[in-house]
Formats: sequence, C-alpha cells, structure tokens
Amino acid sequence: GQQVMQIPQYQHVQEGEDFTTYCNSSTTLSNIQWYKQRPGGHPVFLIQLVKSGEVKKQKRLTFQFGEAKKNSSLHITATQTTDVGTYFCAGTGGTSYGKLTFGQGTILTVHP
Amino acid sequence: DVKVTQSSRYLVKRTGEKVFLECVQDMDHENMFWYRQDPGLGLRLIYFSYDVKMKEKGDIPEGYSVSREKKERFSLILESASTNQTSMYLCASSLFLTTDTQYFGPGTRLTVL
Repeated sequence: GQQVMQIPQYQHVQEGEDFTTYCNSSTTLSNIQWYKQRPGGHPVFLIQLVKSGEVKKQKRLTFQFGEAKKNSSLHITATQTTDVGTYFCAGTGGTSYGKLTFGQGTILTVHP
Repeated sequence: DVKVTQSSRYLVKRTGEKVFLECVQDMDHENMFWYRQDPGLGLRLIYFSYDVKMKEKGDIPEGYSVSREKKERFSLILESASTNQTSMYLCASSLFLTTDTQYFGPGTRLTVL
C-alpha cells in the first residue's frame, strides 16, 4: 500500500533558526495536505497542495509539492516558540482513494 | 466553525471489555474517519465512512468495527479490548472525500489494562 515517510522525526532549534521537514511518498500523490498538532491538542489543517511544483506561503511557512508529486516539504523561517508542535504531511493517491495516508510526523521543539 | 466532539477525553478499560468510542460532528459532513495515533507511527486510519450505513476499512481495521446510523455520528467499537489497543483515538470529518480538509476531534486517550 501507499507509504508516506517523513523526516526528521525530531528537530530541536533555537528561536530564530529555520526549520524544514520533508515528506516522501512511495507512489504519486493526487494532493498533499499539511497539519499541525500542538502539544496536547489535535491535528489542525494548514494547507493543501495539488499541482506539480506548487509552492504556497503562509507568513513564515513555505510549502512545496515536488514536480513528480511524490515529495513535499514545509519550511519555517525564523521559528518562534509558538511554532512548537508536531507537523504531519498526509497524501491521497493511487489505490488509496478516499484515504489520507499520514507521515509519522516531525516533532519540533523551539528553545527560547 | 466545524465542531467535532468525542464522548470521552480519557478512558480506562480492562482487557476483554467491549468499548464504544463516540464521535459527533455538527457540519453535515458526508465523510467521517477514525484514526489511532501512536508515537513514531503518526496517524493510522482504522475505518472511514462516506455515507450513513456505509463503511470502508482503513489500514488497520483488525480488532475494530464501526457504526454509522446517523450522518452526524460515527462510533468505533472495540469488541474485546486488548492491551495493544491502548492508544490515542482521533475522529475526523470532511465534506469531500479526497480533496478536503479533515477536521479532527480532541481525541480519546484509551488505556486498556
């Protein structure tokens, strides 16, 4: 079945440093979504990418979808303590119609 | 705002008990989902439903069943709870199946002793 791998599993940064998490799929994706889960909270939708090579920005967050639609990345510029949490990518595609396959998540810790 | 609620935040059950986890959404969404979340494994789909009385297996359906008798309510049933079902259970709903935001409930942390 479809697999979505996400790296790194953990990332510790000093406040102000940049952060990137990467997502790779074993199959071509129809779309990819990104979610953020604050400590003790539930996943909250951030963004969806649909087109090959698509780049979207939300303030300090930049999301990219690869040309082959098999990988994606989330980059945060100048992290803040409010960025702390787990970031998940999730994709649909191939034989997994109707199902979002989540990556394992990247746990981001920001040290003040 | 979409609201997805789950019947309990914390639940402790004994091995062999039948466990019901309830989820209710208030946005008339067609689709509802049950995931479990374990450290290092992300969210894994147990079952989903795209209409009343319709259900599809997810990636890890073994040991679970579901019920959707009304559009707003989706129940997850553990027929005979086991210790390896100790986990965080998250319910979600969405309007469209493949290209839409999923809205998550607060989760139920289930401990099976």
